[in-house]
Amino acid sequence: QVQLVESGGGVVQPGRSLRLSCAASGFNFNSYAMYWVRQAPGKRLEWVAVISSDESNKYYADSVKGRFAISRDISKNTVYLQMNSLRAEDTAVYYCARDGGWMKNFDYWGQGTLVTVSS
Amino acid sequence: QSMLTQPPSVSGAPGQRVTISCTGSSSNIGAGFHVHWYQKLPGAAPKLLIYGDTNRPSGVPDRFSGSKSGTSASLAITGLQTEDEADYYCQSYDISLSGSWVFGGGTKLTVL
Repeated sequence: QVQLVESGGGVVQPGRSLRLSCAASGFNFNSYAMYWVRQAPGKRLEWVAVISSDESNKYYADSVKGRFAISRDISKNTVYLQMNSLRAEDTAVYYCARDGGWMKNFDYWGQGTLVTVSS
Repeated sequence: QSMLTQPPSVSGAPGQRVTISCTGSSSNIGAGFHVHWYQKLPGAAPKLLIYGDTNRPSGVPDRFSGSKSGTSASLAITGLQTEDEADYYCQSYDISLSGSWVFGGGTKLTVL
C-alpha cells in the first residue's frame, strides 16, 4: 500500500534552516509528481511546493518562493523540502502528498511533521 | 491568490443528511477546474474523499457524494455516523497570479 512518511520537523529559531524528508513506498515513485502542503495552527491547508516526476519542473507558493527548495532522490524514494530563512509564520504541520493526476488533486498524504519557528 | 469558502461548522444527528458547501470564483471552480474533498480526522493524514467533483476513490462509502455547479460545489453525507465527525476540506486549482492549488478553510462536522 502507498505510504508517505515525513520526518525532520522540530523547533528552530527564526532565520535558521531546516530540511524535511518524505520517504515514499508502495508505488512507482519515479512516475509521480510530489507535493508539500502545510497547515498552520487554526489555518487552512496551504499548498507549498510541487516537483515533477522527472524533477524538471518545480513550483512554489509565493509565500515561500526564494526561501524553500523542493527536491527528490529517486534512489531513496524520498522527496525533500529545504527551508531557509524561516519565519514565525512558517510554523505549521507539513505534509507530503502524491499527485492524483490531471485533475490536480492529492491522492495520498503522509501523517505530517510539525515545524515550529520560535526564538 | 483566490481562496475557496466553506462554512466553519455543520452538524447533524446520526442517520441524517448534511451538506457542506464550497464557494469559489471565476479563477478556480468557475474556470472549470475540478473540486476535490478531503476528510481529516484529528491527528491523522488528510484522506481523499471525492475527486473530480463527483468521484469516490475505492473504499469510500457511497454515503459520500459530491456535486458542482457554476462557481460552487457541495459535499453531501447521508446516513450520518459518529465516525464521520471530522474536518472536511474542498480543494481546486486557481489560475490567478502564477497558478496554485487552493483549499477551503475547512468545515468541522459534528455528529450530535
